[in-house]
Amino acid sequence: NAGVTQTPKFRVLKTGQSMTLLCAQDMNHEYMYWYRQDPGMGLRLIHYSVGEGTTAKGEVPDGYNVSRLKKQNFLLGLESAAPSQTSVYFCASSRTGTGNQPQHFGDGTRLSIL
Amino acid sequence: AQSVTQPDIHITVSEGASLELRCNYSYGATPYLFWYVQSPGQGLQLLLKYFSGDTLVQGIKGFEAEFKRSQSSFNLRKPSVHWSDAAEYFCAVAPSGNTGKLIFGQGTTLQVKP
Repeated sequence: NAGVTQTPKFRVLKTGQSMTLLCAQDMNHEYMYWYRQDPGMGLRLIHYSVGEGTTAKGEVPDGYNVSRLKKQNFLLGLESAAPSQTSVYFCASSRTGTGNQPQHFGDGTRLSIL
Repeated sequence: AQSVTQPDIHITVSEGASLELRCNYSYGATPYLFWYVQSPGQGLQLLLKYFSGDTLVQGIKGFEAEFKRSQSSFNLRKPSVHWSDAAEYFCAVAPSGNTGKLIFGQGTTLQVKP
């Protein structure tokens, strides 16, 4: 009954370091999403994927890259971390992309860039 | 541009009192509408959704929401608030189509006084 699992839950990085956030879903969902959550700004879409092997840019894609090599996994990469990327990152998935399909969220990754 | 506005950043109510959280959207057609709740340190959980039909929708945990096309609003209500309802609440809009994208409001933090 895992749903959407994010790894790690917390991480502290130094400016310029790189890292990858992992999202795994066990619901056989086609669509997956990465959001960032900042105070007073709600959730903003970074990148999303409409199926295995596909990725697309969201609202705030700069400084991030993603990959979806397997249907169940969606990776978010920071090549050279910047303090402005300090945020809480959420992964979500949905069965399809039609608007009536709700998104299921992971518990988030809290990332601090020093 | 499509947008979602939650006018109240922070609301405090007494336990047992009624609650109404406001949400207004800007979109040409009738979108798909959602309310999510986020407890501290957790991901987002779907409370309820509206696609079409009856404009009053029931959700989990005793919440309901009413869609008013004339006011472009989708306000969340609960007749009697419990201390466990303290959380952050997000209204979201999915424009019709198959993009899978969600547009979130800024969120409303609910504090419950004993």
